[in-house]
Amino acid sequence: TQLLKQSPQFLSIQEGENLTVYCNSSSVFSSLQWYRQEPGEGPVLLVTVVTGGEVKKLKRLTFQFGDARKDSSLHITAAQPGDTGLYLCAGRRAAGNKLTFGGGTRVLVKP
Amino acid sequence: DAGVIQSPRHEVTEMGQEVTLRCKLISGHNSLFWYRQTMMRGLELLIYFNNNVPIDDSGMPEDRFSAKMPNASFSTLKIQPSEPRDSAVYFCASSLIGSEQYFGPGTRLTVT
Repeated sequence: TQLLKQSPQFLSIQEGENLTVYCNSSSVFSSLQWYRQEPGEGPVLLVTVVTGGEVKKLKRLTFQFGDARKDSSLHITAAQPGDTGLYLCAGRRAAGNKLTFGGGTRVLVKP
Repeated sequence: DAGVIQSPRHEVTEMGQEVTLRCKLISGHNSLFWYRQTMMRGLELLIYFNNNVPIDDSGMPEDRFSAKMPNASFSTLKIQPSEPRDSAVYFCASSLIGSEQYFGPGTRLTVT
């Protein structure tokens, strides 16, 4: 049983379309991070959200942390083939250095 | 600057053999994490160290797995004896305690 559930598990869209990935939990996290992982490489941090209700934007990517700090979403506007990859959310509890990862959402953007 | 370095990048071994995976931290980092990634279970934390001291090893599957930090910049993850179900991609990541984790490129382990 995963503490952080991501949905959908797989998403295939055409270039130019929008997409949203969800990360849900019944637990409260002190912070939540989003990573992107490309084949043959390790995950790379995209953003960290800390405050409930926080919204952060990174070019065409918008990240939101739920008010109760139990869930998060990643929205990509006008997706491009370069956005293809595995998107992972990871939560950190109040104490400690440990991250718990969601199962990942595999995104494929077709040209 | 060099990132986290892992070796080997690929390892194929037979069931029962000992496997040693290696990781060099980013210079100055004091926290080290070992993860395992499979399609079925995703990315799982195996163990992490702060200042060379193991803090949480609750993710280590069983006694066949052991991890060490012989010095502040290097770590090994050993599996003895290896089993086919250990096949996965193993990542290490380093950080300053409480800060962003930087992942290595991973070691793809296949146990036949």
